[in-house]
Amino acid sequence: DQQVKQNSPSLSVQEGRISILNCDYTNSMFDYFLWYKKYPAEGPTFLISISSIKDKNEDGRFTVFLNKSAKHLSLHIVPSQPGDSAVYFCAASGVLYNFNKFYFGSGTKLNVKP
Amino acid sequence: KAGVTQTPRYLIKTRGQQVTLSCSPISGHRSVSWYQQTPGQGLQFLFEYFSETQRNKGNFPGRFSGRQFSNSRSEMNVSTLELGDSALYLCASSPPVGELFFGEGSRLTVL
Repeated sequence: DQQVKQNSPSLSVQEGRISILNCDYTNSMFDYFLWYKKYPAEGPTFLISISSIKDKNEDGRFTVFLNKSAKHLSLHIVPSQPGDSAVYFCAASGVLYNFNKFYFGSGTKLNVKP
Repeated sequence: KAGVTQTPRYLIKTRGQQVTLSCSPISGHRSVSWYQQTPGQGLQFLFEYFSETQRNKGNFPGRFSGRQFSNSRSEMNVSTLELGDSALYLCASSPPVGELFFGEGSRLTVL
């Protein structure tokens, strides 16, 4: 059962513009969400998180938005840089009852063109 | 602070063999989780250990097992390997609840 979905396998953006990566989930019990970036041959690197008590969290160029009613979250990268080219995964968990059992999406490959 | 260390980084096995992968978490982290990543797939949760106890388990067959030691280091074992077990196996450590910090993974190829 795929409880977290990233419906866009790839995204291409021009350097300096905004990148928007989307993620949908089905389980209304999820209350904690993470975004990761992954380069080939490396482990995923944590980017930003958001809990269900918030609808926005910002860290530098990265902002995550959470729409609980739509069960949708998005990651905005502004401005996009060539070094941001990587695969991005979203993940979700119901930490109150499932602790660190996270469900991951299948990833979106971001290509930032110089 | 040292990161999550996984060994070995690469290994090749044949069908029917077994394999043991090791993970040393970030100092102070008592939660260790294991994930499997196959081409085109996201990360699939295998299991999580906290203070030497399995706290969560994913939907993998019993051939996949793990354990955690008193120093929080963890191992996972896959017995009777199948071709479909070829994957990147990722270990992550974390506080009791919080962000996962991943190692670089162990790339297993089953021939």
